[in-house]
Amino acid sequence: DSGVTQTPKHLITATGQRVTLRCSPRSGDLSVYWYQQSLDQGLQFLIQYYNGEERAKGNILERFSAQQFPDLHSELNLSSLELGDSALYFCASETGDIGSGNTIYFGEGSWLTVV
Amino acid sequence: AQTVTQSQPEMSVQEAETVTLSCTYDTSESDYYLFWYKQPPSRQMILVIRQEAYKQQNATENRFSVNFQKAAKSFSLKISDSQLGDAAMYFCAYRSGYNTDKLIFGTGTRLQVFP
Repeated sequence: DSGVTQTPKHLITATGQRVTLRCSPRSGDLSVYWYQQSLDQGLQFLIQYYNGEERAKGNILERFSAQQFPDLHSELNLSSLELGDSALYFCASETGDIGSGNTIYFGEGSWLTVV
Repeated sequence: AQTVTQSQPEMSVQEAETVTLSCTYDTSESDYYLFWYKQPPSRQMILVIRQEAYKQQNATENRFSVNFQKAAKSFSLKISDSQLGDAAMYFCAYRSGYNTDKLIFGTGTRLQVFP
């Protein structure tokens, strides 16, 4: 158990719909990352938050957005869903100390299937 | 930009034997960290081993060890006394030492373990 909690574990939804994925980081971790893992594109970094503020942005579509709340949990919002958005979405966390190279711990992921 | 390459899409090993998974990376940075993550069929991302670039000594965690060749930009993972539970996807990852940058992943190597 990494200490990173993600809900829901599985989600099936229709094209055009909107979903929210939720993540609770490890206790004490200020930094949260979102990754997408699909069959054809491997593990892609989407976005990073640190203590409520966006710190880095990767290949995140404009239809996707995220935020980190004062209690440090994070949500990834996916809207106008397309079949190609079907993937495993990981949340990960770490302390956020710059340059420390700390290990990033991953949650179990949220399986999203768009039909 | 940094890149990580895993040139072996699949590897196999007999139980109790030793196997080495290859990883090369490209960077102009001198301070960075390298990781191997294991992804079993459950899809959870589990840290296997971590190496700081400034340390010449190769990291070791029980049956897992790395061969870190900084000049060659090579970071291979050796699994000794392979067990059935080692069967998984293995991802090599790079992280900058200059910021709280994301992990950059290779495409993964699927390891099969035969009894």
